[in-house]
Amino acid sequence: AQRVTQPEKLLSVFKGAPVELKCNYSYSGSPELFWYVQYSRQRLQLLLRHISRESIKGFTADLNKGETSFHLKKPFAQEEDSAMYYCALRGTSGSRLTFGEGTQLTVNP
Amino acid sequence: DTEVTQTPKHLVMGMTNKKSLKCEQHMGHRAMYWYKQKAKKPPELMFVYSYEKLSINESVPSRFSPECPNSSLLNLHLHALQPEDSALYLCASSRPDTLYEQYFGPGTRLTVT
Repeated sequence: AQRVTQPEKLLSVFKGAPVELKCNYSYSGSPELFWYVQYSRQRLQLLLRHISRESIKGFTADLNKGETSFHLKKPFAQEEDSAMYYCALRGTSGSRLTFGEGTQLTVNP
Repeated sequence: DTEVTQTPKHLVMGMTNKKSLKCEQHMGHRAMYWYKQKAKKPPELMFVYSYEKLSINESVPSRFSPECPNSSLLNLHLHALQPEDSALYLCASSRPDTLYEQYFGPGTRLTVT
């Protein structure tokens, strides 16, 4: 079975502060991990995936297999980062994405 | 065209009605998905079509009936729904070789009265 846990439903930071959205997963094989984002009144969209190791909109995420974590980080949060963030996992076979419960990030001015 | 479109945007239906949701994409994606999303909750996978064939049915009640008439279209036929079926229904598509990168539509907000 595959499971994704995002322990924080709500996260509030001030503009310019560092932000970290936590994601832990449970999967017996080698998973693929992703972060999806949903801005207010916009559709859900892929933010980044662990394989690409890229930085999107200043966000990075490193897969830590030892801790089974894939935390999303940004050194200096911006107001436009306010959104719902979902961590998602895909197993080694099949097209099923398992989403975490999501973290609503609010960046205050 | 790099978008997934869904119609209608909103739908109100009674428990005895029959209605359909429509999803369309012209990105050449051969995998298409239906999700159900309740307020403040993550999307829950309902169905997956791969190359126009149903590949995953997440034990969805038969009052939801999917259909993929061609590679660009995905329908969800609704019949005898319950009030608890009220939710946002999302369609998504992806390339078969990048199943993780799903492009989502804006959703249809369904209310069952």
